[in-house]
Amino acid sequence: DAGVIQSPRHEVTEMGQEVTLRCKPISGHNSLFWYRQTMMRGLELLIYFNNNVPIDDSGMPEDRFSAKMPNASFSTLKIQPSEPRDSAVYFCASSPDRVGGYTFGSGTRLTVV
Amino acid sequence: DAKTTQPNSMESNEEEPVHLPCNHSTISGTDYIHWYRQLPSQGPEYVIHGLTSNVNNRMASLAIAEDRKSSTLILHRATLRDAAVYYCILRELRDSNYQLIWGAGTKLIIKP
Repeated sequence: DAGVIQSPRHEVTEMGQEVTLRCKPISGHNSLFWYRQTMMRGLELLIYFNNNVPIDDSGMPEDRFSAKMPNASFSTLKIQPSEPRDSAVYFCASSPDRVGGYTFGSGTRLTVV
Repeated sequence: DAKTTQPNSMESNEEEPVHLPCNHSTISGTDYIHWYRQLPSQGPEYVIHGLTSNVNNRMASLAIAEDRKSSTLILHRATLRDAAVYYCILRELRDSNYQLIWGAGTKLIIKP
């Protein structure tokens, strides 16, 4: 199993540009999570999906952030327009059920200049 | 929200056992106790989880207090590769769905 696959690994963009982060969860996992990690705030849950349906997006910072899961094998997190304060490592994770462990991807390091 | 309390950092010698403590005094009956670790420049990695009984797997053991208000992650023989931040987390039931609530973690330093 290739694990949770995220792309790109690194993204540097200018303020105001649109950024799209991608995630392929582990096959058969029915829950998918997007997290953001910074030194100041640690790991923050942005949104999570269960069976491709968004369940809780209360962690999404503002309307500039949006996430989609069009099918069980793909999800995107979009930031438009991006701002320097969005600079962070963004992780995607998936889980096979409601109580078991999560598997995290390697993350996307986003730098907005 | 139930919260966990962990020491900010701990040191241990290589090839010795390590006991990482965690307090979760406000845990509810449906909350699962999870442990993850994060190595430098990597994503968090699942270690172990449990509800009431002690658990063992190839990575570690989880000892859960009888009242469930605390737990201990046990690494039986630490290696330099175990140096990481270890997170003790409760997977809480919210609106019929379980979510992980993350804390600050314990930075484990392994001395050769």
